[in-house]
Amino acid sequence: EPEVTQTPSHQVTQMGQEVILRCVPISNHLYFYWYRQILGQKVEFLVSFYNNEISEKSEIFDDQFSVERPDGSNFTLKIRSTKLEDSAMYFCASSERTETRAFFGQGTRLTVV
Amino acid sequence: QQQVKQSPQSLIVQKGGISIINCAYENTAFDYFPWYQQFPGKGPALLIAIRPDVSEKKEGRFTISFNKSAKQFSLHIMDSQPGDSATYFCAARGWETSGSRLTFGEGTQLTVNP
Repeated sequence: EPEVTQTPSHQVTQMGQEVILRCVPISNHLYFYWYRQILGQKVEFLVSFYNNEISEKSEIFDDQFSVERPDGSNFTLKIRSTKLEDSAMYFCASSERTETRAFFGQGTRLTVV
Repeated sequence: QQQVKQSPQSLIVQKGGISIINCAYENTAFDYFPWYQQFPGKGPALLIAIRPDVSEKKEGRFTISFNKSAKQFSLHIMDSQPGDSATYFCAARGWETSGSRLTFGEGTQLTVNP
């Protein structure tokens, strides 16, 4: 089965530092997403991305967050100045179309200290 | 109104038993209801999904029951196996009001004892 791959699997960063989380979506997929899951809580939508622009974002996705598709294969989430409360598992997902199944990556565990 | 409420938080079932997880929603614009299974250290994986024009969908041992008037849907796992032990999330999507985003329930940690 095709896979969404995310790197790194675990990132530890100091508060105030910038981090970039990377994702390689499934190759023929056109829609890309970032979700996060704070430990013990529900999975929460952050942002969706289509045709090289953000199509939707949640209230969590404020000015410190940005997304980019720097080339034909990678999809990145940047957090400009990390806060302790950004510590969470971040999941990338992709789908062929909006109405089709979203495939999730294994996640990047971000720990802000 | 965007919330999806899931219960129970945790569930312990004996091997061969039936596991039932329930979800309720408020937003009548939701038009797609998937269930995701998540093993430790892995991302959520789609298990089964239903649209509101049907009341039940079955795939192998997994069945979704959907009650549109009550705004509730549930996952039934028949003949539960220890390998089914995982966290299960219900989710919902409302294309017209919130596009392709999925709104997840709080999750249910299922343990199937041998």
